[in-house]
Amino acid sequence: AQSVTQPDIHITVSEGASLELRCNYSYGATPYLFWYVQSPGQGLQLLLKYFSGDTLVQGIKGFEAEFKRSQSSFNLRKPSVHWSDAAEYFCAVAPYSGAGSYQLTFGKGTKLSVIP
Amino acid sequence: NAGVMQNPRHLVRRRGQEARLRCSPMKGHSHVYWYRQLPEEGLKFMVYLQKENIIDESGMPKERFSAEFPKEGPSILRIQQVVRGDSAAYFCATSLMNTEAFFGQGTRLTVV
Repeated sequence: AQSVTQPDIHITVSEGASLELRCNYSYGATPYLFWYVQSPGQGLQLLLKYFSGDTLVQGIKGFEAEFKRSQSSFNLRKPSVHWSDAAEYFCAVAPYSGAGSYQLTFGKGTKLSVIP
Repeated sequence: NAGVMQNPRHLVRRRGQEARLRCSPMKGHSHVYWYRQLPEEGLKFMVYLQKENIIDESGMPKERFSAEFPKEGPSILRIQQVVRGDSAAYFCATSLMNTEAFFGQGTRLTVV
């Protein structure tokens, strides 16, 4: 069974600083990989996804993530954090399924706080 | 172009009552996933439905929980005889075939 580990429960950064959120997955093959963001009391918004091809993927709001097969990682990065980025971030995986299923397995999330 | 609509957004039930959570997919979406988010936890998969069919319910508790996605109307997650441990945020996500899923805003269930 697949699993996702986000080692950092809570990260605090200063506005304007760079950010990297870690995500490691366990899966027998290359899964589909996702990063979602959740603001308090809200649903999840997709930041970016990786299915295949270029291992560096660009997402919305200036985020990017790099898939590293050898490390089973899919870390999220942003060069300069804005106060509005404070939220909780979830990494997720979904197995490839010819039936079109995107059943997601989520990590426990990393809460990001931004200091003005 | 409405997104995934969930209602109610907040639901309070007394122990032993029934909770009905509704999810209206985005236009054209025929795949529905329900997830539960407990405090301090990530989302856990509950059930995957296509129109009129339950495809995978491996994440559903064996008792008191059921889900449906009828030919017409929203998908319903039903929890009978709720207990305090059912208090959580319940999210649905919907998709087309072979595309990523879009999430609703969730229903926050509080059992008192």
